[in-house]
Amino acid sequence: SQKIEQNSEALNIQEGKTATLTCNYTNYSPAYLQWYRQDPGRGPVFLLLIRENEKEKRKERLKVTFDTTLKQSLFHITASQPADSATYLCALDLDSGYALNFGKGTSLLVTP
Amino acid sequence: DAGVIQSPRHEVTEMGQEVTLRCKPISGHDYLFWYRQTMMRGLELLIYFNNNVPIDDSGMPEDRFSAKMPNASFSTLKIQPSEPRDSAVYFCASSSGLGGGADTQYFGPGTRLTVL
Repeated sequence: SQKIEQNSEALNIQEGKTATLTCNYTNYSPAYLQWYRQDPGRGPVFLLLIRENEKEKRKERLKVTFDTTLKQSLFHITASQPADSATYLCALDLDSGYALNFGKGTSLLVTP
Repeated sequence: DAGVIQSPRHEVTEMGQEVTLRCKPISGHDYLFWYRQTMMRGLELLIYFNNNVPIDDSGMPEDRFSAKMPNASFSTLKIQPSEPRDSAVYFCASSSGLGGGADTQYFGPGTRLTVL
């Protein structure tokens, strides 16, 4: 069955450092991979999308890579700030194309 | 636009009672999704609609769950009878359908359901 794995342990980093979150998947050949941010008590919010033929995508301090050979995506936040503290979810398109399959997310805590 | 609207925000009910969750998608969006989120299982897709028609309900856990979308601006998720294991946060999301599989989904604030 299709499976998405994200680090279940929380990631604690110091302000100003680069945070790197990992999303691995198996039994899957997604055409797209998306990253969402979720704050406590709120719904997920879209951050970035990367296509299978793209190696890297950037948006301000965010960078996403997509390695279809390794079946892995890395999500980087450079110059991290305490306001970046949240849970980050990766999502892959299901076979139908319009629905998404989400990982369980990784909690990031940025301390001053 | 006000975004995706869900009601109620919190629902506490007793086992065996009927629960109805409501969602108003973003105007003009053709796709509507219902998710359930728990610590153990994460964010799970229950069912989704395209132009008010259910496309995939394979994520609906059992017959106690049903969803309807009578028009483009309203959807309901009903649980009857409710059980304690249904306690979770239920999210509704919508997307435009213009980007195909690359569509961004916009989530509502969720309904936190507690079944005693």
